[in-house]
Amino acid sequence: DGGITQSPKYLFRKEGQNVTLSCEQNLNHDAMYWYRQDPGQGLRLIYYSQIVNDFQKGDIAEGYSVSREKKESFPLTVTSAQKNPTAFYLCASRGGRNSGANVLTFGAGSRLTVL
Amino acid sequence: AQTVTQSQPEMSVQEAETVTLSCTYDTSESDYYLFWYKQPPSRQMILVIRQEAYKQQNATENRFSVNFQKAAKSFSLKISDSQLGDAAMYFCALSGGSNYKLTFGKGTLLTVNP
Repeated sequence: DGGITQSPKYLFRKEGQNVTLSCEQNLNHDAMYWYRQDPGQGLRLIYYSQIVNDFQKGDIAEGYSVSREKKESFPLTVTSAQKNPTAFYLCASRGGRNSGANVLTFGAGSRLTVL
Repeated sequence: AQTVTQSQPEMSVQEAETVTLSCTYDTSESDYYLFWYKQPPSRQMILVIRQEAYKQQNATENRFSVNFQKAAKSFSLKISDSQLGDAAMYFCALSGGSNYKLTFGKGTLLTVNP
């Protein structure tokens, strides 16, 4: 079945540590996105990538980094510079313009807790 | 910049009744799409319904329909014959521009009472 796989589902981190959240898709989608969800805040865009080896900052990119070396993969690193990293992180992908009116398909999410 | 506003943090409805969730938006794009996503307690985001801005006809998906008022920049969701499984957080979202970034509202938590 095609879809998006995020791992790990739950992650605990000590302050000062970098962590990487994995996002893999087998939908052959060109574009991929990372969102952060906090209570009462909705979803906010961290980074997005429309093509391999290219990515752009979203609205809250500070303290995060990404890479897009393969079409299928878009890992997110939460660095020690992120002041409040405890949140729920969602990865999504989007096919081309002619596929599904630009609908985003989401993974199941990763919950990061800083101890 | 594009913005999405959901003015109802919480709503409740009796099972089998109808409820309408409100959403207003702002964008400078002429070509854009509007969506309603549902997030149940599992936290999996599920597409409920979508609307292309160039289409005048309101989108419908079974018990879910929208009232799209382009001039007023309003995009409300109507759920008919509400079911217990409809209980979830509902997000309105807007996608426009060449990068098709999706901007979300803060969500409306819907409770369905038996």
